[in-house]
Formats: sequence, C-alpha cells, structure tokens
Amino acid sequence: EAQVTQNPRYLITVTGKKLTVTCSQNMNHEYMSWYRQDPGLGLRQIYYSMNVEVTDKGDVPEGYKVSRKEKRNFPLILESPSPNQTSLYFCASSLNRGDGYTFGSGTRLTVV
Amino acid sequence: AQSVTQLGSHVSVSEGALVLLRCNYSSSVPPYLFWYVQYPNQGLQLLLKYTSAATLVKGINGFEAEFKKSETSFHLTKPSAHMSDAAEYFCALKNYGGSQGNLIFGKGTKLSVKP
Repeated sequence: EAQVTQNPRYLITVTGKKLTVTCSQNMNHEYMSWYRQDPGLGLRQIYYSMNVEVTDKGDVPEGYKVSRKEKRNFPLILESPSPNQTSLYFCASSLNRGDGYTFGSGTRLTVV
Repeated sequence: AQSVTQLGSHVSVSEGALVLLRCNYSSSVPPYLFWYVQYPNQGLQLLLKYTSAATLVKGINGFEAEFKKSETSFHLTKPSAHMSDAAEYFCALKNYGGSQGNLIFGKGTKLSVKP
C-alpha cells in the first residue's frame, strides 16, 4: 500500500531531551515535508526537501533539523525540545511540484 | 508573499443543504491550488487540485471547486451535505516556481452537518 509512515504516533518527552520523529514513504516521491498543526493556526511548514541532500526552510524552522540522506526517509530532529514545540506533526510527500502532498497519520508530541 | 485565506472558521449546514467553503488566495505567480479534508484524529486527505487544466475541478466524495482568477478565489462546494462530510477542510497553495515544495495552508474551516 502506498503510504507515508511516521513514528511514533504519540510521544511525551521532557524539555531538552533530544528526539527524532521518523518519516518514510514507499512511493519514490521526490518531495517531502514536515508540518506542525496547532489549534487556530492551521498547518505550518517546518522544512521541506526537493530531493536527496536538498532541503529548505519552511515558515517555522527554528528549533528543528532535518536530513534527507535517502529518498524514502526524512526524519525530523528536535535537538533540545521546549514546551512550545508541543504540537501535532505531519510528514508528507509528493511526486512532483504539481501534486498535492500525501500525508502521514501524524505524531502528537508533548514536551513537559 | 503568497497566502491563503479561508473565510469562516466554522460553517454549519443541514443535511441535504448546499456546502460552500470559501478560499481566497494571494500569489504573484499562477498557483497550484488544493483542498484537503481532515477527519478527527486523522491525517489530511486530498479532495481535489487545480493545476490550470480546467477552472472547474471535480474531486472525491462529490466535492468540486471553481478557480476564478479575477476574484482570486477557489471555493469548495457540494450540492448536498451528508453527515459524513463533517470534518475540517483546508485550502492550500503551491507556486509553479520558486519554492516549489512549499505548500501553504489556510487556517481551516470546520464543517458541521446537522441532521
């Protein structure tokens, strides 16, 4: 089944403890992206990648890192999480620039 | 700068009534436009997309949207609402050039359907 898989689905962590949310797609898509969703703010793009080793900042990149070493994987790294990064995170991918993104099921992160 | 504005954070309709969700965009270049739906505790699902081939776009679940360049609008409609349409709907924009991976979302409209 064609899909975007993110793990974990739920995560509770403490301030300052490094974490990684994994994202993998099995559709050979060129583009991948990370979004966070917060009530009243909609979805805001954190980072996106147009191909292996090509990444760019979205609208809210502060406090996050990404890497694209393989086409299928696009992990999101929080080096030192803070409570304001508590949010619902979505990974997404698309084949080319004219396509909409296919979204994963989301990762609900709580930082205490 | 590109932006997407969805008019009305909440819309309520009766079952069988017309659904109209409004989206206006701002872009200096012709955009790709999308509508997504999000059901509770789920990810986003693509309803339809506009990529300049036709101004009236048909999507899944009986939804359609019309691109109007003169009004910079891309409103989503469905002739007859079903209870299963209750969800949050997002309009989104992507530009042809520049940051092609940058899909920009509106803040969403929550649709309620009354029996």
